[in-house]
Amino acid sequence: AQSVAQPEDQVNVAEGNPLTVKCTYSVSGNPYLFWYVQYPNRGLQFLLKYITGDNLVKGSYGFEAEFNKSQTSFHLKKPSALVSDSALYFCAVRDGDSGGYQKVTFGTGTKLQVIP
Amino acid sequence: DGGITQSPKYLFRKEGQNVTLSCEQNLNHDAMYWYRQDPGQGLRLIYYSQIVNDFQKGDIAEGYSVSREKKESFPLTVTSAQKNPTAFYLCATQTGVTEAFFGQGTRLTVV
Repeated sequence: AQSVAQPEDQVNVAEGNPLTVKCTYSVSGNPYLFWYVQYPNRGLQFLLKYITGDNLVKGSYGFEAEFNKSQTSFHLKKPSALVSDSALYFCAVRDGDSGGYQKVTFGTGTKLQVIP
Repeated sequence: DGGITQSPKYLFRKEGQNVTLSCEQNLNHDAMYWYRQDPGQGLRLIYYSQIVNDFQKGDIAEGYSVSREKKESFPLTVTSAQKNPTAFYLCATQTGVTEAFFGQGTRLTVV
């Protein structure tokens, strides 16, 4: 069974400082990995994904994530946090080797609070 | 304006009542999904459909039903058998290996 762990329920960071939101995963085949952001009472918005290729993936709004196969991690990062980055962040995984329907498993979410 | 439209945004259900949440898409995506979101639990899959006239149960299908008569539409009915329906419901679509696209959600409250 595949799974995603986001070990921190909340991350606090000062505006202008770098931020990291952690994600580790477990999947039997090749991982397809995703990060989404959710603002209050809204749907999820896609930030970035890793399917194949470079381990460092760049996405929307200055976010990036690094795929680390040996550590089974896909941490989300941003060099300089903005107050507007405050939101709920979800990591998700699919099994890229699974034929037919590929179930997506989401983490429980990490609330990012950027302090002015 | 392309995307996924969920309606209504807020919905109130009385005890013992069935309610239907609407999800419409114009992205021409084959796969559609319904998720339930509760605080601290992330997203849990209720039902999914990969093609018209076919759908499968997800992890928490009990007390819910769906239909997929058109590619564009995937309504979710919350039946009286669902004992704790108060939650935020999200509809999503997907195609190929792309990311999922989400609607803006429906917040259902039992009164």
